[in-house]
Formats: sequence, structure tokens, C-alpha cells
Amino acid sequence: AQSVTQLDSQVPVFEEAPVELRCNYSSSVSVYLFWYVQYPNQGLQLLLKYLSGSTLVKGINGFEAEFNKSQTSFHLRKPSVHISDTAEYFCAVSESNTDKLIFGTGTRLQVFP
Amino acid sequence: GAGVSQSPSNKVTEKGKDVELRCDPISGHTALYWYRQSLGQGLEFLIYFQGNSAPDKSGLPSDRFSAERTGGSVSTLTIQRTQQEDSAVYLCASSLHPGEYKSYEQYFGPGTRLTVT
Repeated sequence: AQSVTQLDSQVPVFEEAPVELRCNYSSSVSVYLFWYVQYPNQGLQLLLKYLSGSTLVKGINGFEAEFNKSQTSFHLRKPSVHISDTAEYFCAVSESNTDKLIFGTGTRLQVFP
Repeated sequence: GAGVSQSPSNKVTEKGKDVELRCDPISGHTALYWYRQSLGQGLEFLIYFQGNSAPDKSGLPSDRFSAERTGGSVSTLTIQRTQQEDSAVYLCASSLHPGEYKSYEQYFGPGTRLTVT
């Protein structure tokens, strides 16, 4: 069965600092990988996705993630965060033929001035 | 254009009552998904509809939960004899037809917050 692990439930960081949100997955079949963001009192929005090809994926709002097959990881990074990046971030995996998403437990990014 | 809409936005019900939650997907999207977001369980997949195929119900937590999709568009999630542990935000998403080697973005609705008292 597929699973997604986000080890950090909360990540506090100061504005303009770099940040990495960790995500590890387990699956016995080919998967697609996603990062979603949920701003306070809003719905889920796709940040970026990995389907195939280049292992470095760039998304919206300056975020990027790198797929590492050997370490089964898909960590999310941003070189310089803003106050507006404060939100809950979810890593997710789906099998290649259904797209139903299995989510991690989420990481709350809190950016301080 | 219009996104995924869900109604009601909030629902408070008494334990033991039945509730119906509605989802209107984006026009032209053939795939529709229901998820549940709760404090204790995070975001969980519930059920998936794709065109005229039999739905994937593997995520439904009990037989009190059911869903249907009429005419390949609107979907209704029904919870019978609600329990307090059913309290959560129920999210609906839709996408274009997924397939091997191709994945389409799932667009999420704002959710229905269900509170069972």
C-alpha cells in the first residue's frame, strides 16, 4: 500500500530565510508526486507535481521540489520565504492510472517577520 | 471560469441524523473525487468516480457512507446515522480523465464543514 510521510508537523522560519519541507513516500508501483498548499480558510491548491522526466520540478510562488527515487523522497524547497507563504503544505502520491491522492499529514509553515 | 462548488459550506447535525453533501465539478471534468479532512486522520481519500465506470469506494470508512454521481456531473455524498467521529471537512475535487502516463491536476472545492453534535 502507498503511504506518505511528512516528518515535520510544524516548521517555523524567519522571512527571507530558505526552507525545506520533507516528504518521503512508499509504493511498489510507479507513482506521481504532488505538493499542495492550503492557505488559512481556503481550499487546496496545487503547487507542483512530478510525473516523469527531470527530477527537479518548479512550481508556483518560487517553490521547487526534487524527486529522489533511491531515497523515495520529494522534498519541497524555497530559497527565500515570505510572510505570505504561511500555510499548511501537503505532500501527496497517486498511482499512475487513477490519480486518487494519498496525502501526508501536512506541515504547517509559519513565517515570522 | 467556475471552479468546483460544494454545498452547504457548513452543516451542523445531531448524532444519528442523515446528511447529504453536494459537489458540482468543473464542466467537462470526467473524474470526481471525495476526500475527508479531519484533525485526527488528516486528508483521506473516500471515493472516486470516472465516467461510466464503477466507482472506486475503497476509501469509504463504513457502510454508513455512500455516494452517487448523476449524469456524470453532480455528486452527492450521503452519511447515514451520523456519528461524532464523522465531524470533518469534506472536500470534493474534479479533473480531466486520468490515464497511464498522464495525470491531470485535481481542482478542489472549498469543502463542506460537517459538525455532528
